Amino acid sequence: KAGVTQTPRYLIKTRGQQVTLSCSPISGHRSVSWYQQTPGQGLQFLFEYFSETQRNKGNFPGRFSGRQFSNSRSEMNVSTLELGDSALYLCASSLAHPTGAQETQYFGPGTRLLVL
Amino acid sequence: AQRVTQPEKLLSVFKGAPVELKCNYSYSGSPELFWYVQYSRQRLQLLLRHISRESIKGFTADLNKGETSFHLKKPFAQEEDSAMYYCALGSSYKLIFGSGTRLLVRP
Repeated sequence: KAGVTQTPRYLIKTRGQQVTLSCSPISGHRSVSWYQQTPGQGLQFLFEYFSETQRNKGNFPGRFSGRQFSNSRSEMNVSTLELGDSALYLCASSLAHPTGAQETQYFGPGTRLLVL
Repeated sequence: AQRVTQPEKLLSVFKGAPVELKCNYSYSGSPELFWYVQYSRQRLQLLLRHISRESIKGFTADLNKGETSFHLKKPFAQEEDSAMYYCALGSSYKLIFGSGTRLLVRP
């Protein structure tokens, strides 16, 4: 099976702009999660989607949003970019366990965002 | 609060030496714990999870609920084990990661 793919891989934006990142999960995976990775804060959870519904959201400002489409593909959007948003944004997909137990998450290569 | 602590930023050992990467967690309930690894220029990938109780690449990890620990161990380190290792706690459809430990295995 093809792995999780993310586009674009690299992005340079300026403060105040907005950005949209895309994630295609492994075929058959219906849960998609997003994480932000920075040297200072490490890996931090942004949000998780299943069947187009956000089931959990991390502690990030409202400038960070996401959505999932009926084919399980997901996008995240960051509006009014700040310098501190520079990071590697990782997408992960997983099967959805019927009891809600945490399934293994398979990560994409990430999108590296640089805000100038 | 739910939290994962990896006290060592860097662990340097010689090839053939035993390795133990420490992980402590804070969680009320039955935890779901994972070790993820990131090799140079590769994506983050699962190494093992506590419910499977299997050994991957010679690594094992035992959940100790009394000490709230999930340390990763390998009896004889190999140079190809050099990587970044993250302990993670699964909760409410998300993973809570520790800050990671860089393992450097010297020849």
